Amino acid sequence: DSGVTQTPKHLITATGQRVTLRCSPRSGDLSVYWYQQSLDQGLQFLIQYYNGEERAKGNILERFSAQQFPDLHSELNLSSLELGDSALYFCASSPSRDRVSGEKLFFGSGTQLSVL
Amino acid sequence: GIQVEQSPPDLILQEGANSTLRCNFSDSVNNLQWFHQNPWGQLINLFYIPSGTKQNGRLSATTVATERYSLLYISSSQTTDSGVYFCAVMPGTYKYIFGTGTRLKVLA
Repeated sequence: DSGVTQTPKHLITATGQRVTLRCSPRSGDLSVYWYQQSLDQGLQFLIQYYNGEERAKGNILERFSAQQFPDLHSELNLSSLELGDSALYFCASSPSRDRVSGEKLFFGSGTQLSVL
Repeated sequence: GIQVEQSPPDLILQEGANSTLRCNFSDSVNNLQWFHQNPWGQLINLFYIPSGTKQNGRLSATTVATERYSLLYISSSQTTDSGVYFCAVMPGTYKYIFGTGTRLKVLA
């Protein structure tokens, strides 16, 4: 168990709908990363937050948004869903506290999103 | 952007065999990790290794940052080693870029 919690584990929804994925980082970790894994695109970086602030952005669609709350949990919101958004969405956390540990990532078990 | 290539893309081994997986990256990096994605989809940390050599049981890893590659060695492979192995690199700060992965199948 990595200590990173993601909910829900599975989500089935229809095109055009909106969903929210939730992530609780490991205790004490300040950074949260979101990744999308699909069969044809591999693991794609979406966005990173550090202590409530957005710090890096990757290939995140405009229909997607995220935030990190004061208690450090994060939510990824996906709207106007399309069939191609079906994928495994991972959250990861890292300490981001000192140069010794660096940015070591710990992954949650993922949310499998199916858009029908 | 940085390119991260892993080889071989697929590997089939008999139980007990040894293997070497390679990760090449096209630019300098600050951090590098190896992960194992098991058949249930979980991503498990293997090594955090921006440079040097580390060992953990039957697994070891070496990163030569100046030559832009990392190697993961698996000795005496077991069926539980099956899955996909990813390297991930952080070229600047704040985001890891994942390689294409090596899919390993170990036969009993």
